[in-house]
Amino acid sequence: EAGVTQFPSHSVIEKGQTVTLRCDPISGHDNLYWYRRVMGKEIKFLLHFVKESKQDESGMPNNRFLAERTGGTYSTLKVQPAELEDSGVYFCASSQGPGTIYEQYFGPGTRLTVT
Amino acid sequence: AQRVTQPEKLLSVFKGAPVELKCNYSYSGSPELFWYVQYSRQRLQLLLRHISRESIKGFTADLNKGETSFHLKKPFAQEEDSAMYYCALLLSGGYNKLIFGAGTRLAVHP
Repeated sequence: EAGVTQFPSHSVIEKGQTVTLRCDPISGHDNLYWYRRVMGKEIKFLLHFVKESKQDESGMPNNRFLAERTGGTYSTLKVQPAELEDSGVYFCASSQGPGTIYEQYFGPGTRLTVT
Repeated sequence: AQRVTQPEKLLSVFKGAPVELKCNYSYSGSPELFWYVQYSRQRLQLLLRHISRESIKGFTADLNKGETSFHLKKPFAQEEDSAMYYCALLLSGGYNKLIFGAGTRLAVHP
């Protein structure tokens, strides 16, 4: 079974440019999450989708970040315009259901570097 | 506020030595705690969860509500245990997000 996949694996952009990260969850997983790890800091929650609906977007840092999950399948996270502090590793995770019982499976991450 | 603290950035031990990775949490609700591990060039993966009360790869972790701790232990470390370990708290009450600690890098030397 294919795990969570993310594209690209690495992106280098200049400040002010736009970048779109993609996440494909495990097939059948309604719950999709975005997290990020900024250099030297802990992994932080960004948002949670249940199917195509945003269940919790309390971790989104500001309105330069836009996440979508059209049709409840893959998700995109767009950063526009990118700032230096957006550099880090962006993780996507998916789970079959909510709560403790259902494990969140993580993708390999996208390393974003803003110069 | 909810918080997970892992006080050690790096823990360096020799093969066969006991290991204890510390994790403390702050949460007013009923805590659901996990340990995640990331081996070199691999993705983050679940190691164990406190409700399972199981031992995975020789690791165990006991939730101590009095001390608000969830330390990860292994009696005899192996070189293949070298990795980054993250303690995480799952918020309850309709939320489903994990709050991670900063992580501890475990280095097991031969």
